[in-house]
Amino acid sequence: AQSVTQLGSHVSVSEGALVLLRCNYSSSVPPYLFWYVQYPNQGLQLLLKYTTGATLVKGINGFEAEFKKSETSFHLTKPSAHMSDAAEYFCAVSEESGGSYIPTFGRGTSLIVHP
Amino acid sequence: GAGVSQSPRYKVAKRGQDVALRCDPISGHVSLFWYQQALGQGPEFLTYFQNEAQLDKSGLPSDRFFAERPEGSVSTLKIQRTQQEDSAVYLCASSPVPYSGQPQHFGDGTRLSIL
Repeated sequence: AQSVTQLGSHVSVSEGALVLLRCNYSSSVPPYLFWYVQYPNQGLQLLLKYTTGATLVKGINGFEAEFKKSETSFHLTKPSAHMSDAAEYFCAVSEESGGSYIPTFGRGTSLIVHP
Repeated sequence: GAGVSQSPRYKVAKRGQDVALRCDPISGHVSLFWYQQALGQGPEFLTYFQNEAQLDKSGLPSDRFFAERPEGSVSTLKIQRTQQEDSAVYLCASSPVPYSGQPQHFGDGTRLSIL
């Protein structure tokens, strides 16, 4: 069975500092992994995804994530935080089970960016 | 429209009333999902449609919840005899092909408050 753990419900950084949002997953088969961002009163927008191939995935707005199978992790990073990055971030995993790929989302991490 | 549209954006109902939430997916999208997002949580899967067929409804929390997509486009999520614990944001998402782990396109959600 698949599951997702996002460490830290809140992460606070200064503008210009490194952003690191942690995601660990549990999956019995090679998973598909996603990061989504949610701004207040909006739906989720895809930042990036990992399916197969290169383990370092680049997404929109300067974000990237690295799939580490040995650590079952898919942490999200951005070298320099911008005020507009303040939002809720969700990691999600999708694995095949009986022909179904229903995704599971983490509880989310709120990114706070200080000027 | 270009994106997934949900209506109403906000719904307030008294406990015991029935409510209906509407989702207009992106035109031509085959797959449609409903999620429930409680305050401070990630989206929780409710049900999945492939065209007009409801292939998975394992996430519906009780028989008070019912979803339909009769013509394979617009979908309605109905909640009968609402309870306070039904208060949440209900998100709809779609994807262009039968779902096999692709990213999803989310609507902005309907915020349901049960008094």
